[in-house]
Amino acid sequence: TQLLEQSPQFLSIQEGENLTVYCNSSSVFSSLQWYRQEPGEGPVLLVTVVTGGEVKKLKRLTFQFGDARKDSSLHITAAQTGDTGLYLCAGAVSGSQGNLIFGKGTKLSVKP
Amino acid sequence: GAVVSQHPSWVICKSGTSVKIECRSLDFQATTMFWYRQFPKQSLMLMATSNEGSKATYEQGVEKDKFLINHASLTLSTLTVTSAHPEDSSFYICSASGPGLYYNEQFFGPGTRLTVL
Repeated sequence: TQLLEQSPQFLSIQEGENLTVYCNSSSVFSSLQWYRQEPGEGPVLLVTVVTGGEVKKLKRLTFQFGDARKDSSLHITAAQTGDTGLYLCAGAVSGSQGNLIFGKGTKLSVKP
Repeated sequence: GAVVSQHPSWVICKSGTSVKIECRSLDFQATTMFWYRQFPKQSLMLMATSNEGSKATYEQGVEKDKFLINHASLTLSTLTVTSAHPEDSSFYICSASGPGLYYNEQFFGPGTRLTVL
């Protein structure tokens, strides 16, 4: 069974603080996506990383794909209340139909 | 990004009835569509994968006779929950992927909240 372990599961911080969310697996992924989901809505794609060691930035969010393509991290700088939500990582396994393996998610709460 | 719509956004039905949920890709051809189920405070659980014009592939433990999936065109897939029961109440989300999208990217619909009384 392929697993993608995401941590932490819950994170509550003050506005202005930095945070990092991690996704780890023993499986190699052809690509890895990060999504953000608001309550009662579908996940929204934030970024896709495909190359080992790749780093992508989206404003205050920095995404990194591990060299071996087994892990990834999401770092948020100077968090804002609008960053509150459920962050999901999802890895695509080579040879699958494009099926994604989802982490359990990190519920982030940023307080003013 | 690509846009996926889902209809209805919520539905309430009586136990024993069937409910159909539609998933449409609005600005791209979705050769593959995925159906997920999400329980409160949990991550997404893949139910089935459907390729246009082919039978859906169901995940282990998902009853294919209860959750009927049709993917008859490159822009539309439907999920029919047959003889729904209260335990089928959940948040159902579809996603779509296709050629021209970057590396296995899936774009998600807004979800359908199903409540079975």
